[in-house]
Amino acid sequence: ETGVTQSPTHLIKTRGQQVTLRCSSQSGHNTVSWYQQALGQGPQFIFQYYREEENGRGNFPPRFSGLQFPNYSSELNVNALELDDSALYLCASSPPGPPGVNEQFFGPGTRLTVL
Amino acid sequence: GDSVTQMEGPVTLSEEAFLTINCTYTATGYPSLFWYVQYPGEGLQLLLKATKADDKGSNKGFEATYRKETTSFHLEKGSVQVSDSAVYFCALVIKAAGNKLTFGGGTRVLVKP
Repeated sequence: ETGVTQSPTHLIKTRGQQVTLRCSSQSGHNTVSWYQQALGQGPQFIFQYYREEENGRGNFPPRFSGLQFPNYSSELNVNALELDDSALYLCASSPPGPPGVNEQFFGPGTRLTVL
Repeated sequence: GDSVTQMEGPVTLSEEAFLTINCTYTATGYPSLFWYVQYPGEGLQLLLKATKADDKGSNKGFEATYRKETTSFHLEKGSVQVSDSAVYFCALVIKAAGNKLTFGGGTRVLVKP
């Protein structure tokens, strides 16, 4: 069984540019969440997608947006990149079931550097 | 809002020493509690969890007990190994608020032979 995969592994962008990060959820998982992990800190929740709709959002500006596709894979888009957007972006998928109980399975992350 | 506070690291131990990482939380609802571990160069992995008060989560020799009266979920291991060197994150989910994980800042643990 393939776990959560993310692409690309690393990315370097300059301020003002736009970026798209991709995530393939684990087989059978219909919920995908995105987190931002700045260096030396814990992950911060960006948003969650369930059945192709946003289902909860953290304290991130609208230039952070996402999509979920019918196969439950997902994209994170960030517009007008800022230096503070440099971080590890983590995707997590979880199976159907009661929230707060099912484990979230994390991908290895995409390391974004904004120069 | 919801928050998790855990002891700052790094924590440096010798092999076979006892490990404790303190974690306390504030929550607007009834949380489930988790410990995640991040090994060098790898993604986050669930280490253990507890979904109600007085539950004890355990895995790989690690244990943590959900203490509602002290709003704590301290992680313990009786005898650490070099392979336990990693960053440990305490986290919570409010059951009525979806599957959003709120993480603490992480504690780096270094076990020396």
